[in-house]
Amino acid sequence: LAKTTQPISMDSYEGQEVNITCSHNNIATNDYITWYQQFPSQGPRFIIQGYKTKVTNEVASLFIPADRKSSTLSLPRVSLSDTAVYYCLVEGTNAGKSTFGDGTTLTVKP
Amino acid sequence: GAVVSQHPSRVICKSGTSVKIECRSLDFQATTMFWYRQFPKQSLMLMATSNEGSKATYEQGVEKDKFLINHASLTLSTLTVTSAHPEDSSFYICSARAGTSGGLTDTQYFGPGTRLTVL
Repeated sequence: LAKTTQPISMDSYEGQEVNITCSHNNIATNDYITWYQQFPSQGPRFIIQGYKTKVTNEVASLFIPADRKSSTLSLPRVSLSDTAVYYCLVEGTNAGKSTFGDGTTLTVKP
Repeated sequence: GAVVSQHPSRVICKSGTSVKIECRSLDFQATTMFWYRQFPKQSLMLMATSNEGSKATYEQGVEKDKFLINHASLTLSTLTVTSAHPEDSSFYICSARAGTSGGLTDTQYFGPGTRLTVL
């Protein structure tokens, strides 16, 4: 299973862009990268998933370099409600389990 | 989008009793479901992988006789905490893996979690 490493915490202010980077040095060829958001006492919520290059949806962008050993979740113009824990997960096609890292606690200040 | 439900959302029980938690995929079929446990201020810890129609695969250190998992259909998995004790108090979260679609890998969709408190 690919191990992931993220910063433990990050602070930001409303309206700023936030970039959270995750390292996954031993990612396998068939693995994808998925980012989840979790609020206290709730289950993780899917944010975005990608394999390589750049993926964008209505809430975030995901940047993955050519070597795929890291990925960066970009949240444009964060608000107070984006305060949460963000996890990156390496998941494989037809694979079984995935292991959650420690996640990044993002605190957005007014 | 894919929705996963859990029931109950919160349960308080006495020590020694058994508690069953249900996990349902509401709008898709899930051949694989996962059960996680999360203690305060910590990450999710995988307990077991549940495949429809077969025995669950437990992670190291998780007692299969204490945490009974049944995956009877493609939309339902249950976790039964038998003879619960205060140290079993935790936040239990299930996820269901949707099938590969649109060129993406199977994505896990998580339930809202169940808060178990054992007195």
